[in-house]
Amino acid sequence: GNSVTQMEGPVTLSEEAFLTINCTYTATGYPSLFWYVQYPGEGLQLLLKATKADDKGSNKGFEATYRKETTSFHLEKGSVQVSDSAVYFCALLGSARQLTFGSGTQLTVLP
Amino acid sequence: NAGVMQNPRHLVRRRGQEARLRCSPMKGHSHVYWYRQLPEEGLKFMVYLQKENIIDESGMPKERFSAEFPKEGPSILRIQQVVRGDSAAYFCASSRIRGTHEQFFGPGTRLTVL
Repeated sequence: GNSVTQMEGPVTLSEEAFLTINCTYTATGYPSLFWYVQYPGEGLQLLLKATKADDKGSNKGFEATYRKETTSFHLEKGSVQVSDSAVYFCALLGSARQLTFGSGTQLTVLP
Repeated sequence: NAGVMQNPRHLVRRRGQEARLRCSPMKGHSHVYWYRQLPEEGLKFMVYLQKENIIDESGMPKERFSAEFPKEGPSILRIQQVVRGDSAAYFCASSRIRGTHEQFFGPGTRLTVL
């Protein structure tokens, strides 16, 4: 079956530091890949997505590239802000139309 | 354009009671998905519904849990005879018929079983 393995947290960074959260996946076929963000007490918001190999998703300074050869979709941001503190989930959408999520990575950015 | 609506946002039940969670999809969306987030865990798929049809319930517990999405009105996730282990955040998502199958999430219902 499908699975997503995500870098374990928590991750604590200083403001303006570089962020990488690793995500690798196992899936049959050609899944779409997503990063979702969850702020405290709220639901999930779609951060970015990529639907085929070599696609790069980007939003709000975050980027991730769909790497089929390494089955990865690592999340990066060049300069994090305090407001980026949240839990980040990597997910894949397979042919069954159900999302499979990683375990989530808690990010805390200190001023 | 209103997003996915869920209510109640918080629900407290005693063991043995029933819990009913409601989800109204985004306008124009006819596909609904329910996910459960247990404490300190990621989200797990429960069920996928279209209007009047259950398409995939492979993630639903075999007993006490049921879901429906009637022709009119919201989707309902029903948990009978709740137990403490049912305490979790339950999220609903919706998507369009066509397109990228991107799913948009509601704010969730946080169920606490005393």
